[in-house]
Amino acid sequence: EVQLVQSGAEVKKPGESLKISCKGSGYTFTNYWIGWVRQMPGKGLEWMAIIYPGDSDTRYSPSFQGQVTISADKSISTAYLQWSSLKASDTAMYYCARKPDGSNWFDPWGQGTLVTVSS
Amino acid sequence: QSALTQPASVSGSPGRSITISCTGTSSDIGGYNFVSWYQHHPGKAPKLITYDVTKRPSGVSNRFSGSKSGNTASLTISGLQAEDEADYYCCSYETGRTWVFGGGTKLTVL
Repeated sequence: EVQLVQSGAEVKKPGESLKISCKGSGYTFTNYWIGWVRQMPGKGLEWMAIIYPGDSDTRYSPSFQGQVTISADKSISTAYLQWSSLKASDTAMYYCARKPDGSNWFDPWGQGTLVTVSS
Repeated sequence: QSALTQPASVSGSPGRSITISCTGTSSDIGGYNFVSWYQHHPGKAPKLITYDVTKRPSGVSNRFSGSKSGNTASLTISGLQAEDEADYYCCSYETGRTWVFGGGTKLTVL
């Protein structure tokens, strides 16, 4: 079974750094893209960024460029989303999702990681 | 890069049909046949229900169908069932090799 399993909920203070993860299983990790999507409280989905673990090719939404960094460790089939200095406005649910190379759809999705940033 | 435009909410009675629209521009929906739709029950992972405008993944009910005309894509759900009550999001590839979601539509089954 193809699965994406995300790391657990995080509670952080403004200014702190954070790295959340998304581990793929049941498929060849390096042959599919992993995208990240934000859902702020009470709001809709926002496409953030995507990485191809096979060669670390990355693309960012202009809205998130410079705000977050995505990476992947193909040796452990895991993708990451990280912040160097969190803000209260980063409080959200973050989802990862798989995208086949050459396609334009996302399936399956991880269960989500809730990030809460509060002083 | 602006979010695609969806109605905030739609509703329908069991057994009836509803259609959710998703409006973009020639740089996204209008320029490519790469629209996908996702069903999102709160607290669960979003689920792909249609892709490449009209295609359905295996296992997704044929009550869900997608279409597109110009810069507007649509999702039609026929034979509404209680379990269809959820949030629905469109998504399109856009020029610049990125993707953009719609603002989401809350479907209420009356």
